[in-house]
Amino acid sequence: QITLKESGPTLVKPTQTLTLTCTFSGFSLSTSGVGVGWIRQPPGKALEWLALIYWNDDKRYSPSLKSRLTITKDTSKNQVVLTMTNMDPVDTATYYCAHSPLRFPGDWYFDLWGRGTLVTVSS
Amino acid sequence: QSALTQPPSASGSPGQSVTISCTGTSSDVGGYNYVSWYQQHPGKAPKLMIYEVSKRPSGVPDRFSGSKSGNTASLTVSGLQAEDEADYYCSSYAGSKVVFGGGTKLTVL
Repeated sequence: QITLKESGPTLVKPTQTLTLTCTFSGFSLSTSGVGVGWIRQPPGKALEWLALIYWNDDKRYSPSLKSRLTITKDTSKNQVVLTMTNMDPVDTATYYCAHSPLRFPGDWYFDLWGRGTLVTVSS
Repeated sequence: QSALTQPPSASGSPGQSVTISCTGTSSDVGGYNYVSWYQQHPGKAPKLMIYEVSKRPSGVPDRFSGSKSGNTASLTVSGLQAEDEADYYCSSYAGSKVVFGGGTKLTVL
């Protein structure tokens, strides 16, 4: 059974760096064809894809946020970490991590999601 | 402004069918057979309903079906049930990135 859980601060100040951790079980990120992505959702708004990391450490980022994002994995701890620099109130959102089967190149869908963590950016 | 365009709302009575559209471009929906659909109930995480345009994950009722024509993908919910009332989001691969639609609120009358 695959599970994912997001953790990190609930409140960050503008200009600070956000660090979120996704701790998962039921799969290994060293297994070929597996990925973990991050998606966020501002209150009352749509989903927005942020980043994706492959089992082979290949990484992809949303072009509009690429300069602010870093995604890494720790296979031994079954964790994926997302950092976002220079936080702004518009970054207030629920941040989700999700498992991606990566059946084919470009087949980037998310079949299992964590419950999400709400991050508020405010001074 | 979301990359993919969905109607803000859709509705139907129990037992009826409703179709939600998702319009993109040849750079996303039209260019790849990698369209997925997610259902989200209030306060809950999204749930995958359709992947690769028309495939259903295990456990998703066959009342849910997906299709694509050109740059527009569609999600059809047949035999509407009260529990189908939720927000629905489409998503597509768009060349080294993922794009989502703005979401459609489905109301079961």
